[in-house]
Amino acid sequence: GENVEQHPSTLSVQEGDSAVIKCTYSDSASNYFPWYKQELGKGPQLIIDIRSNVGEKKDQRIAVTLNKTAKHFSLHITETQPEDSAVYFCAALGPDGSARQLTFGSGTQLTVLP
Amino acid sequence: SAVISQKPSRDICQRGTSLTIQCQVDSQVTMMFWYRQQPGQSLTLIATANQGSEATYESGFVIDKFPISRPNLTFSTLTVSNMSPEDSSIYLCSVEAPGNTIYFGEGSWLTVV
Repeated sequence: GENVEQHPSTLSVQEGDSAVIKCTYSDSASNYFPWYKQELGKGPQLIIDIRSNVGEKKDQRIAVTLNKTAKHFSLHITETQPEDSAVYFCAALGPDGSARQLTFGSGTQLTVLP
Repeated sequence: SAVISQKPSRDICQRGTSLTIQCQVDSQVTMMFWYRQQPGQSLTLIATANQGSEATYESGFVIDKFPISRPNLTFSTLTVSNMSPEDSSIYLCSVEAPGNTIYFGEGSWLTVV
């Protein structure tokens, strides 16, 4: 089955700096890669996603890049703000079929210092 | 997008009892899932809730412990049976919306004492 590794497990940045979180996946058939933000006491919130036919996607201060050859994808947050502090999870989803499921990374605790 | 409502949002349960969690979606969806998130951990898939048939369970999860119902395309329930302190977790309902986008509810935070 799919295996997703996520690094770093914790990340502290100064407000205004950029933050980068990296994930690798094992199954080359995976074709959908979402990122979730989970604030304390809440469920995971989808913040951005990318599909395997695209190399990069951007939404305001958030961007995701995908390297299918190397099987890794990254989340980039620019101009970080204290409200960006949360746990971020990457995930990978395989193609349609009986074994299709979302596999999560272990999470990154991002702290933005004011 | 999809709006997912879970009930209860939080509960404290006695050891040995069972609790049923409800998940309601604001639109019809084919795929609904149940996840468990233990304190400080990532999300683990419990099962896929299939409409009109038995749920598909992942390794390590069994129907007797986590019975699931899916009576229609907008609703599902997960029961945590014969609870022990090890079952203290967040239980999350998830749906796959059109375009393969996957959304989560706010979770049901269970503490077993």
